[in-house]
Amino acid sequence: GAVVSQHPSRVICKSGTSAKIECRSLDFQATTMFWYRQFPKQSLMLMATSNEGSKATYEQGVEKDKFLINHASLTLSTLTVTSAHPEDSSFYICSALHGQRGDEQFFGPGTRLTVL
Amino acid sequence: GNSVTQMEGPVTLSEEAFLTINCTYTATGYPSLFWYVQYPGEGLQLLLKATKADDKGSNKGFEATYRKETTSFHLEKGSVQVSDSAVYFCALGRNDYKLSFGAGTTVTVRA
Repeated sequence: GAVVSQHPSRVICKSGTSAKIECRSLDFQATTMFWYRQFPKQSLMLMATSNEGSKATYEQGVEKDKFLINHASLTLSTLTVTSAHPEDSSFYICSALHGQRGDEQFFGPGTRLTVL
Repeated sequence: GNSVTQMEGPVTLSEEAFLTINCTYTATGYPSLFWYVQYPGEGLQLLLKATKADDKGSNKGFEATYRKETTSFHLEKGSVQVSDSAVYFCALGRNDYKLSFGAGTTVTVRA
């Protein structure tokens, strides 16, 4: 148990368009999910905390109007990269907090975004 | 602020060799410390953790001890297998469950 999925695994979009990434906890409910960004050969950088039923909280330096987060249900959070530019190309990873497993975070496999 | 520094890779070992990946941290207060592992094509998985000074986390033959005096949490395994080939991340956790990660160390074990 405790599986987190991400869809799609890869997305390619044109500059100026939007790209949407879904994060789902498949077999548990998660009131809190996290979104990370990972550059090649670098660590995961926390972008924002996604809270079910309330607004996401963003880390310093992350544009909330560019990276829209919607935590619509206890098993789904979406990240939409709006007006994407090539510098937004990256690997985006989500995690979900499992309240019945000592608040352990379970991670999705990641989504590769390429902006042309 | 909080930060984690871990040994740069890649690390290549032969089977049954001893593995050490160094990790040091900077933090305010008393964070929890974690090692995560990412196998090819999969998401990060928690390998082990320690929540207070002198705690030792262990799992699958891996061990790490929370050393407050040296602000370290080095990962060790006495005899690695090919199946241990993965990327290993050291991480620091705060009370609000937010994690700060090191850069990751790629480990390749050859038969």
